[in-house]
Amino acid sequence: RKEVEQDPGPFNVPEGATVAFNCTYSNSASQSFFWYRQDCRKEPKLLMSVYSSGNEDGRFTAQLNRASQYISLLIRDSKLSDSATYLCVVNRQAGTALIFGKGTTLSVSS
Amino acid sequence: DVKVTQSSRYLVKRTGEKVFLECVQDMDHENMFWYRQDPGLGLRLIYFSYDVKMKEKGDIPEGYSVSREKKERFSLILESASTNQTSMYLCASRRDRAYGTEAFFGQGTRLTVV
Repeated sequence: RKEVEQDPGPFNVPEGATVAFNCTYSNSASQSFFWYRQDCRKEPKLLMSVYSSGNEDGRFTAQLNRASQYISLLIRDSKLSDSATYLCVVNRQAGTALIFGKGTTLSVSS
Repeated sequence: DVKVTQSSRYLVKRTGEKVFLECVQDMDHENMFWYRQDPGLGLRLIYFSYDVKMKEKGDIPEGYSVSREKKERFSLILESASTNQTSMYLCASRRDRAYGTEAFFGQGTRLTVV
């Protein structure tokens, strides 16, 4: 089993749609969780961290379920500018590097 | 502003050559990383470093080595380049070993080995 697994996508949605991405991780010792965004031919950039209590940043909501080892990202009212690849990222444990899922591609059309 | 700079955007090398990819960060970060990114495989960790002269293998270290002689600079070395090392290489840095800190990436080096 891969350490971080994501929906393969691609997700093709119209503007204004709500879309959800899922991610599972295999290492129960994982301590920190993130969603990164990567635009075409660009480097990944942090979108948001994911906390056990769930957290929201504008149209984006991230959830973490430690018992199920599951992370989600919800995007409401999708914009054309949301088109990108979304990377689920896990920090195994203190002092080790970030491990990336393969990413899910989102394409928002008008 | 946070800055991670990779020495080349595009590089073409011949099979068997020794290749150096350089990465410099100006944020005084302790941690630095090298990843490669390939279609369908995502970002895979090659090596990382906690501090000067410290290094640890990631998930795919074979055929690579690293050097960190100064805190701000982390070099990836391909000892004898092979065609299967054609890839996008991404360097990243991170403030410390604590949980939850953000990693910042360089713009990437697209290496082609012919």
